[in-house]
Amino acid sequence: KAGVTQTPRYLIKTRGQQVTLSCSPISGHRSVSWYQQTPGQGLQFLFEYFSETQRNKGNFPGRFSGRQFSNSRSEMNVSTLELGDSALYLCASSLAEYYEQYFGPGTRLTVT
Amino acid sequence: KNEVEQSPQNLTAQEGEFITINCSYSVGISALHWLQQHPGGGIVSLFMLSSGKKKHGRLIATINIQEKHSSLHITASHPRDSAVYICAVCFQGAQKLVFGQGTRLTINP
Repeated sequence: KAGVTQTPRYLIKTRGQQVTLSCSPISGHRSVSWYQQTPGQGLQFLFEYFSETQRNKGNFPGRFSGRQFSNSRSEMNVSTLELGDSALYLCASSLAEYYEQYFGPGTRLTVT
Repeated sequence: KNEVEQSPQNLTAQEGEFITINCSYSVGISALHWLQQHPGGGIVSLFMLSSGKKKHGRLIATINIQEKHSSLHITASHPRDSAVYICAVCFQGAQKLVFGQGTRLTINP
């Protein structure tokens, strides 16, 4: 069974631009969570989707948004990029709520 | 406030040593995860547990719900075990992980 895939793996953007990151969960998994990892703040929860519905959201500004499609694939979008958005963005999928999460390799975003 | 504390933050040991990493949390949880992150960023889920003890190869994870504490043990440590180990908890009533700050483990040959 293929693991969680994320695209792109690396991305360089300029302040003020927007970016869309994609996550394809393990086949059959219906829950997708997104996390941000920075050297200063560590790993932080962004949001979680289940069956196309956002169920939980972390403490991030409205510039961070996401969605989930009917095939469980998920995208997250960051608008009006700031230097502080430079981070590793990880997604994780699980069968359902409270099941073990499987992490993707991450997308490393650099904002210049 | 829901908090997760790990100790130590850094740990250096010689190959073959028994390793223990600790994780404490503040309130009731539905599950606790131990994760491993190698340089380059990829995260691997090692264990998810809500009670008792789990073992996989040389890795053992235990949790004491009453004391709100979990430990990750590595027996016969090897340089390839060098990584950052992260404790993450799912607090009751919230399907989102809260992470500890991680423990950087270095095993020297």
